[in-house]
Amino acid sequence: GENVEQHPSTLSVQEGDSAVIKCTYSDSASNYFPWYKQELGKRPQLIIDIRSNVGEKKDQRIAVTLNKTAKHFSLHITETQPEDSAVYFCAAPGGSYIPTFGRGTSLIVHP
Amino acid sequence: EAGVTQSPTHLIKTRGQQATLRCSPISGHTSVYWYQQALGLGLQFLLWYDEGEERNRGNFPPRFSGRQFPNYSSELNVNALELEDSALYLCASSLAGQGGTGELFFGEGSRLTVL
Repeated sequence: GENVEQHPSTLSVQEGDSAVIKCTYSDSASNYFPWYKQELGKRPQLIIDIRSNVGEKKDQRIAVTLNKTAKHFSLHITETQPEDSAVYFCAAPGGSYIPTFGRGTSLIVHP
Repeated sequence: EAGVTQSPTHLIKTRGQQATLRCSPISGHTSVYWYQQALGLGLQFLLWYDEGEERNRGNFPPRFSGRQFPNYSSELNVNALELEDSALYLCASSLAGQGGTGELFFGEGSRLTVL
């Protein structure tokens, strides 16, 4: 099955800085790569996703990049704000089409 | 439109007991996924149901089981509870079989505590 590694497990930044979270996957059949944000005590929610036919996708302050050759994808958040503080999860489906999640990154944005 | 709903919100059981958790997907969604979220371990895949059938299960013992009803709601049963079963159990729904290629919509979860 698919194996997804996510780093770092914790990321602490100052408000206004950029944050980057990286994930690697093992199954070359994976073709859809979502990122979910889970605020404390809340449900995970999709914030951005990318499909294998593109290398980068942006939505305001967040962007995702994908390198299929190296089997890794990254979440980039610019001009971080305190409300960006949350746990972020990456996922990849593998050939089974079951979303396999990374272990999560706890992002802390200090005002 | 109502989102994914789960019940109960919290559940406290003792070792050896059985727990039943319930999930109602978004209207029109036929796929239901169950995940276990234990501290520091991310979201571990438990079960996937679609059109009333179990399509796949994760690396969990057989005492984790479930079913999907004709209205696409689902329940997760955990028998012979162990302390390490304490976790947040998340249900997610998607359009038929599209959880691997499209957005998963999560419920708020059921917090199971085993004493």
